[in-house]
Amino acid sequence: EAGVAQSPRYKIIEKRQSVAFWCNPISGHATLYWYQQILGQGPKLLIQFQNNGVVDDSQLPKDRFSAERLKGVDSTLKIQPAKLEDSAVYLCASSWTSGSDTGELFFGEGSRLTVL
Amino acid sequence: QKEVEQDPGPLSVPEGAIVSLNCTYSNSAFQYFMWYRQYSRKGPELLMYTYSSGNKEDGRFTAQVDKSSKYISLFIRDSQPSDSATYLCAMTYSGGGADGLTFGKGTHLIIQP
Repeated sequence: EAGVAQSPRYKIIEKRQSVAFWCNPISGHATLYWYQQILGQGPKLLIQFQNNGVVDDSQLPKDRFSAERLKGVDSTLKIQPAKLEDSAVYLCASSWTSGSDTGELFFGEGSRLTVL
Repeated sequence: QKEVEQDPGPLSVPEGAIVSLNCTYSNSAFQYFMWYRQYSRKGPELLMYTYSSGNKEDGRFTAQVDKSSKYISLFIRDSQPSDSATYLCAMTYSGGGADGLTFGKGTHLIIQP
């Protein structure tokens, strides 16, 4: 079974530039999550999709971050304009359904962003 | 006070030792508790999932939950160098186990050969 695919793995940009990350979840997984993991911290949920609808985006800085999941499969996360504090690993995860009863999220390897 | 507290370590122990990793939490509404393992430059992967207070064992791993003390633990027996990783506790109060997870900072564990 193919895992969660993310790209690019690494990205370096100047502050105020824009960046986009792409995620392809495990086939059949209805729920998709974007997490931000700052060095030395645990992952923090940015946004959760159920199919192509947003379930939770309460911690997404909407003035600069946006995300979409067209057709309920792939997803993109965009940051515009980037700030120094956005330097982090952006993890995409998927699960079978919202309210999965095993607590199991399947994570990708992450996209590491450095903002200079 | 953060919702979930976890000592970031690093914790260094010799191979074969018993390892104890812990988290405390402040929100009594948390009902589902998980331990994820994260190798360097990889995404986290689920190790253990528990709902009720008490112990759950899976091979060399035992997860323990004490809801009255708001304290969870992960024990690793006969630790191996391959266990070297960051261990993240996670918890949620939603109706299912995967939504709205709150993670601890993670404990960096080093098993010395």
